[in-house]
Amino acid sequence: GDSVTQMEGPVTLSEEAFLTINCTYTATGYPSLFWYVQYPGEGLQLLLKATKADDKGSNKGFEATYRKETTSFHLEKGSVQVSDSAVYFCALSDRTNSKLTFGKGITLSVRP
Amino acid sequence: GAVVSQHPSWVICKSGTSVKIECRSLDFQATTMFWYRQFPKQSLMLMATSNEGSKATYEQGVEKDKFLINHASLTLSTLTVTSAHPEDSSFYICSARDLGGTYNEQFFGPGTRLTVL
Repeated sequence: GDSVTQMEGPVTLSEEAFLTINCTYTATGYPSLFWYVQYPGEGLQLLLKATKADDKGSNKGFEATYRKETTSFHLEKGSVQVSDSAVYFCALSDRTNSKLTFGKGITLSVRP
Repeated sequence: GAVVSQHPSWVICKSGTSVKIECRSLDFQATTMFWYRQFPKQSLMLMATSNEGSKATYEQGVEKDKFLINHASLTLSTLTVTSAHPEDSSFYICSARDLGGTYNEQFFGPGTRLTVL
């Protein structure tokens, strides 16, 4: 079945540091890929998405590129802020039924 | 933006009792809602897909008689944990799909923390 693997956390960075969160997937066919973010006390929010190979999703300074050859969708941000502290989930969606398969999530803490 | 609420946000109950959790789409209609369960430091696991006016579709390994799902309107789905036991303690999250949007995106509720004593 489909699966998503995220790097182990938690991750702690200083403000303005560069962020990379790795995500790889296993799926049949051509899934859509997502990053969701969960701020403390809130529900999951869609951060960015990519629906086909080589697409780049971007939002709030975050970027991720759909790499079919490496089955990856790594999340990057050039300069993190304290307000980016949250839990980040990588996910994929089967095109036929739109079900989401999530990775385990990783907690990011950004210190001033 | 699309908002999904859950009620209650947390609940503590005694073993053997039943607990109902509500999921509402506040500003859009959702013919499909999803129920997830999340264990500490683990991923969200899809429990079931709830379709308005029809029976829910449960994922493999989820007991449909234990986790009763009702989706009676386009804005409300409920999950009832029947005869709850301590192993049912978990974080339950719902999401709703806005078919009126440009993409079949799921909008998530804030979750409900269930503790069974």
